[in-house]
Amino acid sequence: GAGVSQSPSNKVTEKGKDVELRCDPISGHTALYWYRQSLGQGLEFLIYFQGNSAPDKSGLPSDRFSAERTGGSVSTLTIQRTQQEDSAVYLCASSSGTGGETQYFGPGTRLLVL
Amino acid sequence: GQQLNQSPQSMFIQEGEDVSMNCTSSSIFNTWLWYKQDPGEGPVLLIALYKAGELTSNGRLTAQFGITRKDSFLNISASIPSDVGIYFCAGLDNAGNMLTFGGGTRLMVKP
Repeated sequence: GAGVSQSPSNKVTEKGKDVELRCDPISGHTALYWYRQSLGQGLEFLIYFQGNSAPDKSGLPSDRFSAERTGGSVSTLTIQRTQQEDSAVYLCASSSGTGGETQYFGPGTRLLVL
Repeated sequence: GQQLNQSPQSMFIQEGEDVSMNCTSSSIFNTWLWYKQDPGEGPVLLIALYKAGELTSNGRLTAQFGITRKDSFLNISASIPSDVGIYFCAGLDNAGNMLTFGGGTRLMVKP
């Protein structure tokens, strides 16, 4: 596609439920990033995938958060046993992965945990 | 860890006025980026700066990469209502992989 796409655009869930958020990066981009943006705040790095290398998970806030990237393209961010503080916008970005290049962002998934 | 301090946090200005915002860092970055985020959208890149001291313009936008590589500013001249949004600075690490974001500057323009 022309840009990074994410789904769903909005998700409302109950505390304790699991959620899956999907990211489709720009075709050909080998690097993929997940960020979290709380209301009125900046972007918090979560996880980074580069090609077939082991992902950089250093930003994941707890073991309830996990992400995978199948076939080097689509990525899924999973939050288990959601808590109210998980409510935020989850943004995905991709880049060509050659180093020093621009990250292109998707529109985000707005997650609300009741 | 690395942190970017962005100021001001918010600005409310009259249409036609010039705007200036800046970011400072406790450590060096090799690349500085400025993004704009419209409501309900992801951030969109405005300007990228690659060399210390570099001054780059993009229409009404001007940004500079500080000579120490620890700071950057973004100026918007003759603001218009569509400039409304949140502006983020971001620094790219030495490996060229990880972005660290500032807290954002929320710009509001009064027609």
